[in-house]
Amino acid sequence: DAGVIQSPRHEVTEMGQEVTLRCKPISGHDYLFWYRQTMMRGLELLIYFNNNVPIDDSGMPEDRFSAKMPNASFSTLKIQPSEPRDSAVYFCASSLVGTGGETQYFGPGTRLLVL
Amino acid sequence: RKEVEQDPGPFNVPEGATVAFNCTYSNSASQSFFWYRQDCRKEPKLLMSVYSSGNEDGRFTAQLNRASQYISLLIRDSKLSDSATYLCVALNGGTALIFGKGTTLSVSS
Repeated sequence: DAGVIQSPRHEVTEMGQEVTLRCKPISGHDYLFWYRQTMMRGLELLIYFNNNVPIDDSGMPEDRFSAKMPNASFSTLKIQPSEPRDSAVYFCASSLVGTGGETQYFGPGTRLLVL
Repeated sequence: RKEVEQDPGPFNVPEGATVAFNCTYSNSASQSFFWYRQDCRKEPKLLMSVYSSGNEDGRFTAQLNRASQYISLLIRDSKLSDSATYLCVALNGGTALIFGKGTTLSVSS
């Protein structure tokens, strides 16, 4: 079975550019999570969706970040404009909660470098 | 103060050693706890859940002490393949996972 799919796997961009990260969750999962991981701050939850609806975006650092989930099989995280401090690994994860399945399955991540 | 705190290590141990990782959490309302494993430049993956009664999975034993808000992971007979970062995780609000920054283990031959 396909796991969580993320694209691109690597992104190098210049400060001020728009960056769009993409995620396809595991089919049938009803929760989708976006995380950011840096050496300094570890793995931080940015936002999560339940049945395509954003539930908690309190982790989104600022208005430059936005996330959407137009359908059950696709989500995007957009940074506009990007800044060097946004450089990190961004993970998408999905889970099926309510069946004892609190396990979150992570995608391979997108390594973002903003110059 | 971060909600889930771990000793970052690194822990450098020889093959066959027993090593223990500790973790504390600050939110007494956290419902469930887990250990995730993350290999270098890879995504985190669930290693095991942590129950108050303690649970064992092969060479791995996890323990939870709710009174002290303390979680542990014991690895016996360490293998080279155990080298990774181990993330202590608390489940809050039924859905949100709060990750510690991880403890790095390096097992050498």
